[in-house]
Amino acid sequence: GAVVSQHPSWVICKSGTSVKIECRSLDFQATTMFWYRQFPKQSLMLMATSNEGSKATYEQGVEKDKFLINHASLTLSTLTVTSAHPEDSSFYICSAHSSGQGLDYGYTFGSGTRLTVV
Amino acid sequence: EDQVTQSPEALRLQEGESSSLNCSYTVSGLRGLFWYRQDPGKGPEFLFTLYSAGEEKEKERLKATLTKKESFLHITAPKPEDSATYLCAVRGSNSGYALNFGKGTSLLVTP
Repeated sequence: GAVVSQHPSWVICKSGTSVKIECRSLDFQATTMFWYRQFPKQSLMLMATSNEGSKATYEQGVEKDKFLINHASLTLSTLTVTSAHPEDSSFYICSAHSSGQGLDYGYTFGSGTRLTVV
Repeated sequence: EDQVTQSPEALRLQEGESSSLNCSYTVSGLRGLFWYRQDPGKGPEFLFTLYSAGEEKEKERLKATLTKKESFLHITAPKPEDSATYLCAVRGSNSGYALNFGKGTSLLVTP
């Protein structure tokens, strides 16, 4: 089945530094990638949607200059948290969606990245 | 705006004690209702997609049903390994391919 590999699974960084999270679709081409943030005992909140080769579309309230998304290929999307602060500590999850020829192949989620900013 | 409300927030069952989880939704043009299982510190794992009222899908001890306003995830004779958070999400006609998630139901099954 479809697999999405997300790395790193956890990261601790100092306040003010930047962190990059990678999301790769291993055996399929992801038409669209989604990035979510999840706080403890809360639901997944959509941060942004990106299509290969296009600029990401950010949800209201998400700072695009702080959360940089690059979707350079159909199998790789990255989320960079710039100048991270403790309030950015959260669980970040990517999701890849594949569609084509009028078919919807559904969504596959990565295993998530636990970011802790100290 | 699409909305998804799940209940209960938490549920504790004894092994073998069947129950149902509820997902109420409002959406402009349902393009799919999704159920996922999420274990602590992991990403969501796909369970079912339902597209139209009256549709039902089954997988082992789980059965998902859909009406025009809500979906149920029925768990028959649960086992401790069914303990997880169960998430419901909808995709509406106005949201492109993005999913709108509920807060989930945390299920604990005790031996």
